[in-house]
Amino acid sequence: DVKVTQSSRYLVKRTGEKVFLECVQDMDHENMFWYRQDPGLGLRLIYFSYDVKMKEKGDIPEGYSVSREKKERFSLILESASTNQTSMYLCASSPRTGRGGNIQYFGAGTRLSVL
Amino acid sequence: SQQGEEDPQALSIQEGENATMNCSYKTSINNLQWYRQNSGRGLVHLILIRSNEREKHSGRLRVTLDTSKKSSSLLITASRAADTASYFCATVGYSTLTFGKGTMLLVSP
Repeated sequence: DVKVTQSSRYLVKRTGEKVFLECVQDMDHENMFWYRQDPGLGLRLIYFSYDVKMKEKGDIPEGYSVSREKKERFSLILESASTNQTSMYLCASSPRTGRGGNIQYFGAGTRLSVL
Repeated sequence: SQQGEEDPQALSIQEGENATMNCSYKTSINNLQWYRQNSGRGLVHLILIRSNEREKHSGRLRVTLDTSKKSSSLLITASRAADTASYFCATVGYSTLTFGKGTMLLVSP
């Protein structure tokens, strides 16, 4: 089974802190994604990566950056956390585009609170 | 955004009843997927239906797709309390998925 592991289930940070959210997948997937999920807004794509060192902006990249130094790991970085970044963050991976119908496999999520 | 829209937003039924959720979308698709999310957890892929398919079954799940109306439906037959979750449709772009806001299903014993 595909396993996508997010490093923390819950995080509490202070405004202005630099925050790292880590995600690791064990299925040698090329594509990895970061979403945030908020009540009433559904899932919104922040960034995705289709290869090592490659990244593409999603729908809401402002205030975030990402890093993909190794194929299995995709990190989301909040350079200076703000209260409006309090949310549930979901990481996902999928095989190379066109294979497997672009089915995505999700981690359990990180609930981030910024105080 | 190509975001799909699920309907209804919330659905409450008794165990043993069938649950039907609908999804409408705006643009042409290659395939459409349905996912499930248990409270506070990640999403789990349920079923994929391709644009040239009209109906697909998987266990107690039945998905239909009407590309002329840009709509899909998910039917869960003989619901169980364990089916309580949020259900999302997702339309497929080149590399990315665009999710709707979901239907919250509550199945009471």
